[in-house]
Amino acid sequence: SAVISQKPSRDICQRGTSLTIQCQVDSQVTMMFWYRQQPGQSLTLIATANQGSEATYESGFVIDKFPISRPNLTFSTLTVSNMSPEDSSIYLCSVNPSNTEAFFGQGTRLTVV
Amino acid sequence: QKEVEQNSGPLSVPEGAIASLNCTYSDRGSQSFFWYRQYSGKSPELIMSIYSNGDKEDGRFTAQLNKASQYVSLLIRDSQPSDSATYLCASYGGFKTIFGAGTRLFVKA
Repeated sequence: SAVISQKPSRDICQRGTSLTIQCQVDSQVTMMFWYRQQPGQSLTLIATANQGSEATYESGFVIDKFPISRPNLTFSTLTVSNMSPEDSSIYLCSVNPSNTEAFFGQGTRLTVV
Repeated sequence: QKEVEQNSGPLSVPEGAIASLNCTYSDRGSQSFFWYRQYSGKSPELIMSIYSNGDKEDGRFTAQLNKASQYVSLLIRDSQPSDSATYLCASYGGFKTIFGAGTRLFVKA
């Protein structure tokens, strides 16, 4: 299993600004995943963060909008840049320590006004 | 495009009944399958995993997998109001977890 500490838990931001979300895992993991969950929707994978290399982004997501850092095997950040109201969502980080089930952080509820 | 399809519901069952949730997946390379429960405002939590064809039982929950039909199901026996949540079906393969849209379940007291 894995325990993930994610922060902030929620934030209200002005459009045009940026927010950085942090995730700390209690064990070393090769990959960390960032998901977005829009209201009433399922989880959509934004990108996979590997330590020591560029993140791999899914179709529809780009590095300029969602830059990711992965400085070590227990930590990652996701930045939501130049925010608009459409970015209002829940953002979740996740790990699969045994390449099986996913464990999630508590989520960050972002509201852009 | 790898997909996991679920009926979004809502599925409404009376307390004590059996709730039946279904999903299909498109990637035949998927190796593992999971059911997550998500309460409103909370992160998903794993309730069942299944890796081989057949049934797997854990308490009131039974997961069923049919790889030939690319079909996964979850049965919840003796449904309780506390089971009311969104249930996400997920497949894992190629180092990625793909989630379905989720089925909203309401258990009426």
